[in-house]
Amino acid sequence: AQSVTQLGSHVSVSEGALVLLRCNYSSSVPPYLFWYVQYPNQGLQLLLKYTSAATLVKGINGFEAEFKKSETSFHLTKPSAHMSDAAEYFCAVSDSSYKLIFGSGTRLLVRP
Amino acid sequence: ETGVTQSPTHLIKTRGQQVTLRCSSQSGHNTVSWYQQALGQGPQFIFQYYREEENGRGNFPPRFSGLQFPNYSSELNVNALELDDSALYLCASSPGQGISTDTQYFGPGTRLTVL
Repeated sequence: AQSVTQLGSHVSVSEGALVLLRCNYSSSVPPYLFWYVQYPNQGLQLLLKYTSAATLVKGINGFEAEFKKSETSFHLTKPSAHMSDAAEYFCAVSDSSYKLIFGSGTRLLVRP
Repeated sequence: ETGVTQSPTHLIKTRGQQVTLRCSSQSGHNTVSWYQQALGQGPQFIFQYYREEENGRGNFPPRFSGLQFPNYSSELNVNALELDDSALYLCASSPGQGISTDTQYFGPGTRLTVL
């Protein structure tokens, strides 16, 4: 069965600092991996997805993630945090059929 | 803006009641999925419909049921509400037959409170 682990329920960074949100997955088949962002009282918005093409995936708002099979990781990064990045971030894996399996989320706080 | 809308925004029910939540998918999206997001947790898959047929189901009891209509709208019905059903319910639409690489476009959700 597939699963996703997000290390750190809360991450706090200063504005302008590097953002690193960690995601590790477990999958018995080649995974498809996604990062979604959720702003308060809103639904989920896709940031980026990995579908077995390039291992470094670039997304919206300056975010990117690197698929590392040997580490079963798909960490999300952004070189310079902005106040508007404050939100909850979810990593998800798609199994061989149809559903998304989400991690428990990481709340990103950006300090001025 | 994903083009996926949900109604109502908020809903309060009492234990034992029944509720219907509605979703309008993007035009042309034949697949709709429903997720339950409890407070402080990630969304959990309830079920998926493709062209009005259930295409897969998560670990939810039969009192959770759904319908999908030809006009890209869908419903989630929950019978015999329990306190633990309090959550944000999200629908997501996608263009294909729910294949795993498809992007799912989420609506803003319906927050259900069961008292």
